[in-house]
Amino acid sequence: DAKTTQPTSMDCAEGRAANLPCNHSTISGNEYVYWYRQIHSQGPQYIIHGLKNNETNEMASLIITEDRKSSTLILPHATLRDTAVYYCIVRVMYGGSQGNLIFGKGTKLSVKP
Amino acid sequence: NAGVTQTPKFQVLKTGQSMTLQCAQDMNHEYMSWYRQDPGMGLRLIHYSVGAGITDQGEVPNGYNVSRSTTEDFPLRLLSAAPSQTSVYFCASSLTGGRNTEAFFGQGTRLTVV
Repeated sequence: DAKTTQPTSMDCAEGRAANLPCNHSTISGNEYVYWYRQIHSQGPQYIIHGLKNNETNEMASLIITEDRKSSTLILPHATLRDTAVYYCIVRVMYGGSQGNLIFGKGTKLSVKP
Repeated sequence: NAGVTQTPKFQVLKTGQSMTLQCAQDMNHEYMSWYRQDPGMGLRLIHYSVGAGITDQGEVPNGYNVSRSTTEDFPLRLLSAAPSQTSVYFCASSLTGGRNTEAFFGQGTRLTVV
């Protein structure tokens, strides 16, 4: 079973920041938080991951709370092309079964004009 | 650099037929996996492999076989297709260690079993 809890759906106005929350209260010390998204019927796409420090790349920012029990993915200026299902996943960094990506149902983000 | 390539993109099978879904990657990734996605659902892990010659079962392995004879290829076999196997299948690959362990996914194979 997925170890994360996400809202089923969210709306965001085009050009505004989209903040997608994720709860992972049972996260272990060696597990990372990963975010992927799936744009209509395509294969999932990696966005970002982090352990305990905040992370930023060209796509998004990831804010992880100090106790690591929750995180927020931030898309700073959402566009219509960001409409997708966003998955928050916790997993260890190394291989083997503990490194498998186990998907929940994710959050359906709709960016509206 | 093609990434992860899945073939075919679409397939219709009759109940009881067999077929192999192909997956190839050119990134020298040790880890490969197969998922299925049913309407309105997240992806469910079928089988995975941490390297050539090594495979293991995921969440929903029944009805599927896999093998990993090379690093590049990870085919998924349906021995006797059933309507319950109608789904979209995704293959993924990644490194198994280090910082850059993000998974790369193929574009999917849409399978209908009638």
